[in-house]
Amino acid sequence: DAMVIQNPRYQVTQFGKPVTLSCSQTLNHNVMYWYQQKSSQAPKLLFHYYDKDFNNEADTPDNFQSRRPNTSFCFLDIRSPGLGDAAMYLCATSRDLVSETQYFGPGTRLLVL
Amino acid sequence: SQQGEEDPQALSIQEGENATMNCSYKTSINNLQWYRQNSGRGLVHLILIRSNEREKHSGRLRVTLDTSKKSSSLLITASRAADTASYFCATVGTGANSKLTFGKGITLSVRP
Repeated sequence: DAMVIQNPRYQVTQFGKPVTLSCSQTLNHNVMYWYQQKSSQAPKLLFHYYDKDFNNEADTPDNFQSRRPNTSFCFLDIRSPGLGDAAMYLCATSRDLVSETQYFGPGTRLLVL
Repeated sequence: SQQGEEDPQALSIQEGENATMNCSYKTSINNLQWYRQNSGRGLVHLILIRSNEREKHSGRLRVTLDTSKKSSSLLITASRAADTASYFCATVGTGANSKLTFGKGITLSVRP
């Protein structure tokens, strides 16, 4: 059974055209994360939600925003995608503390033309 | 930086052989985790070892942690072609706001 679901799996957008990636979870976890992973690099944390509390990483560009309307869903909005934003975007959850095991979705591959 | 560094960057072995991957880190940790990532997919959690633990097993996986050397190793015994993937170590520091920080990963290829 799918636990962390990401849609779409592949997303193509145009330079500067806003795009939204979605993530949903069936685990009822309190914490949801968004990571950016570029080719052959480590996943880089963009931000996370602890319940409704939003926690932005200091080096996450303003171009990246997130919404969590309820426990199950979390969205990543890229307001004006640039060529450098092409990457795999990974959503993850953990039950409670940030230090616990994280459960990842399959990722959304974003291509910017 | 808390980021772990894996060694080697790439490893190629024959099916049936053991694969050993190492991770070093710089500052004190709460725990260290290993994840696997198949090409173009999300990460799968393999094992978590806490700072007060020295060794853990899970199936064909054995993880050791040496906090005095700030290092960990992941051993996969009797490797299979299906073990071909990238393996990441990730650490959580001891600070109140510590986050999971990933290393760059090791690419393991298991030849049939």
